Amino acid sequence: EVQLLESGGGLVQPGGSLRLSCAASGFVFPTYAMTWVRQAPGKGLEWVSSITGSGAHTYYIDSVKGRFTISRDNSRNTLYIQIDSLRADDTAIYYCARNERATATSPLEYWGQGSLVTVSS
Amino acid sequence: DIQLTQSPSSLSASVGDRVTIACRASQDINSYLAWYQQKPGKVPKLLIYAASTLYSGVPSRFSGSGSVSGTDFTLTISSLQPDDVATYYCQKYNYDPPMFTFGQGTKLEIK
Repeated sequence: EVQLLESGGGLVQPGGSLRLSCAASGFVFPTYAMTWVRQAPGKGLEWVSSITGSGAHTYYIDSVKGRFTISRDNSRNTLYIQIDSLRADDTAIYYCARNERATATSPLEYWGQGSLVTVSS
Repeated sequence: DIQLTQSPSSLSASVGDRVTIACRASQDINSYLAWYQQKPGKVPKLLIYAASTLYSGVPSRFSGSGSVSGTDFTLTISSLQPDDVATYYCQKYNYDPPMFTFGQGTKLEIK
């Protein structure tokens, strides 16, 4: 059974940093791309970042380029996103999702339960 | 960047109705389009990928289609059920450019 378990969320002050983790199990982790999607309170889904199965290629929405860094440790079956220079509009539930194949050009087959990040002073 | 525009933003229909949700891309995305269902307070679920392929386990009352132009897509529920109350999102996943944008969502309610 595929399982994705996010952790690392919480309350952070504006300008602060946070690292979210997503522990994956139930599948061969390096053979799938992984993606972070966020959802601000009461709002729609927003694609944030994706990384290929090998980790060789990463992709970001323009609004987070230079502030967010996606990475993966295929030996630990874990996906990460480092979030720096946090702003109030980064407040959201951050979902980890598994792509359907090793490339990011594939749909999101499995989703974690999400980790809430709240940016507030 | 390619934008996805869903219509309507919300709709209310009766049980048993045929419901159609549209998603228009600002440029040709071929068939690199997926549909997701997010029930209130729940995690999104994949319904349709490659514009018209039903994901495993999804009821057959759901279907998807796309135009030859690669810009117009529809999600259809052939006979609306109470369990279908949710917000539906389309998403593009083609590479050019590598921005895997979601539509703004369509909230579906039962009359």
